[in-house]
Amino acid sequence: EAEVAQSPRYKITEKSQAVAFWCDPISGHATLYWYRQILGQGPELLVQFQDESVVDDSQLPKDRFSAERLKGVDSTLKIQPAELGDSAMYLCASSQGKQSGIYEQYFGPGTRLTVT
Amino acid sequence: GENVEQHPSTLSVQEGDSAVIKCTYSDSASNYFPWYKQELGKRPQLIIDIRSNVGEKKDQRIAVTLNKTAKHFSLHITETQPEDSAVYFCAASNNYGQNFVFGPGTRLSVLP
Repeated sequence: EAEVAQSPRYKITEKSQAVAFWCDPISGHATLYWYRQILGQGPELLVQFQDESVVDDSQLPKDRFSAERLKGVDSTLKIQPAELGDSAMYLCASSQGKQSGIYEQYFGPGTRLTVT
Repeated sequence: GENVEQHPSTLSVQEGDSAVIKCTYSDSASNYFPWYKQELGKRPQLIIDIRSNVGEKKDQRIAVTLNKTAKHFSLHITETQPEDSAVYFCAASNNYGQNFVFGPGTRLSVLP
């Protein structure tokens, strides 16, 4: 069964450093989501792509976070500089997309970020 | 923007009993409502979802009901088993798959 892949699984970085996360969605999924999940809370949507275009980044702290999906397949989320409050699980999810009529999201295993 | 509330935050039931988790949403434009189960240290997994043109959906021991007028939807788990123990999240989305907002989660414990 196809799954969403993410790397790295764990990342420890010092504050003010740059960090990047990678996501490879399920093949053929047009929509890709990045979420941040703080321990004990629900996932918070950071950015949503439809193919290579951003359709929602209203909750993305754009002064330090950036995301891209250049060829409409895999995606990278970057934080620069990292702050202590960025420590969280970063989840990537994908879905077939609105045009397909199938909206179910499938999540990757996540990247656990610890900022020291 | 959308706001999703979820109750209760923790729920303990005896094995074999039923569990009900309720969510309310604020944006009348929301039209897709999935439920996710997240076991400790694992990714959220979709267990059931409902669209705004349907009032109820059932899949074996799991059912979801939607009341658009009152803007609330509920997850019902019957004949609970220890493996149902997890954190359950509801979510709401408008435009079928955009602007997902998750609830804060309910920790369900099924006691043997």
